Amino acid sequence: QKEVEQDPGPLSVPEGAIVSLNCTYSNSAFQYFMWYRQYSRKGPELLMYTYSSGNKEDGRFTAQVDKSSKYISLFIRDSQPSDSATYLCAMSANAGGTSYGKLTFGQGTILTVHP
Amino acid sequence: DGGITQSPKYLFRKEGQNVTLSCEQNLNHDAMYWYRQDPGQGLRLIYYSQIVNDFQKGDIAEGYSVSREKKESFPLTVTSAQKNPTAFYLCASGRTGGDQPQHFGDGTRLSIL
Repeated sequence: QKEVEQDPGPLSVPEGAIVSLNCTYSNSAFQYFMWYRQYSRKGPELLMYTYSSGNKEDGRFTAQVDKSSKYISLFIRDSQPSDSATYLCAMSANAGGTSYGKLTFGQGTILTVHP
Repeated sequence: DGGITQSPKYLFRKEGQNVTLSCEQNLNHDAMYWYRQDPGQGLRLIYYSQIVNDFQKGDIAEGYSVSREKKESFPLTVTSAQKNPTAFYLCASGRTGGDQPQHFGDGTRLSIL
């Protein structure tokens, strides 16, 4: 079983829809949670970064973390064709030694927003 | 502009050949990372370095080697021992610490001739 599970999709929605992307994880030591967006043939770019449980909003994007359920989500409101990309969740534990700074990624969800 | 530069963008390897992928950053980050990305899979960690002249194996280090002689540079060599090297290789950097997000370059796509 993978430490982080993410539905690979693909997910196709009409422009203006609300998109929900999710990841589940098994390692209770994870405390830092990130969402990256990756366009084709490009590197991932950081979208959202949260610590522990709770919500964080940035423009049309909202990240939620529920540590009790080991579940994180990214919501995109008023989705645009330019949001079409692969979305990767990533997380890390607050640990010292060789684990310090290591990220564990989900498989990525391919999202297409059509006009 | 600060960022991470990976070169070349595309690379082809012959059987039995070693190839080296370049990664340079001007973000003044202490930590640097190499990941491999295969279709339909997330990123898997190959090697990482928290400080100059020191590096650790990640989850899939076999068939790869790295060096960290300068803070700005973290080249990755794909050796002939790596039997399935075709993939998208991503370099990242970040401030040292488990609570710091990483920033990525735009990758090198390696293929076998």
